Amino acid sequence: DAGITQSPRYKITETGRQVTLMCHQTWSHSYMFWYRQDLGHGLRLIYYSAAADITDKGEVPDGYVVSRSKTENFPLTLESATRSQTSVYFCAAQGINYGYTFGSGTRLTVV
Amino acid sequence: GQSLEQPSEVTAVEGAIVQINCTYQTSGFYGLSWYQQHDGGAPTFLSYNALDGLEETGRFSSFLSRSDSYGYLLLQELQMKDSASYFCAVRDHPSAGKSTFGDGTTLTVKP
Repeated sequence: DAGITQSPRYKITETGRQVTLMCHQTWSHSYMFWYRQDLGHGLRLIYYSAAADITDKGEVPDGYVVSRSKTENFPLTLESATRSQTSVYFCAAQGINYGYTFGSGTRLTVV
Repeated sequence: GQSLEQPSEVTAVEGAIVQINCTYQTSGFYGLSWYQQHDGGAPTFLSYNALDGLEETGRFSSFLSRSDSYGYLLLQELQMKDSASYFCAVRDHPSAGKSTFGDGTTLTVKP
């Protein structure tokens, strides 16, 4: 039962670079989400998707782009990384009981 | 806007009972979830309440009062491994699964 796989686990990138964070689910859950978590804070929703080719903005979407061409994949792209995007990024899928299963996270540092 | 309030820190001793409260002000309410997150790890789903009352799952119980916009997580027979951050989250849309998270409560269990 692999669940949600995120890659890479750690990433250091330079300001202005484009970087893509990958997320893959082994199920076929419809809803998938990207959250960011900054030190000592809760999770803030960046983007979510209700199904393949259906995505919508969350609370903090600026500077991010998502796509979902296949149900199982939901990549998040930072178009031009900024230091304020240094964070831990979690991908999640929603199961039948409205609970989320999260991936292990990607720790992104923008220098 | 969405607003969830939780205490930032709670300390208790092993074997004791602790209650973590969550009050919310959201534009829509369709359910309250609780998540546990250990340092460096991903959040894991604990419980979901859509209706008023108490839900029990082993040592953990979750309560909801929609009229008071309030819920709590009750942890019994505390163990050292329960030291973690606990987040409440409100599902604020009837069909979309997206949730707004609180900033979390850090629980420290002492021997």
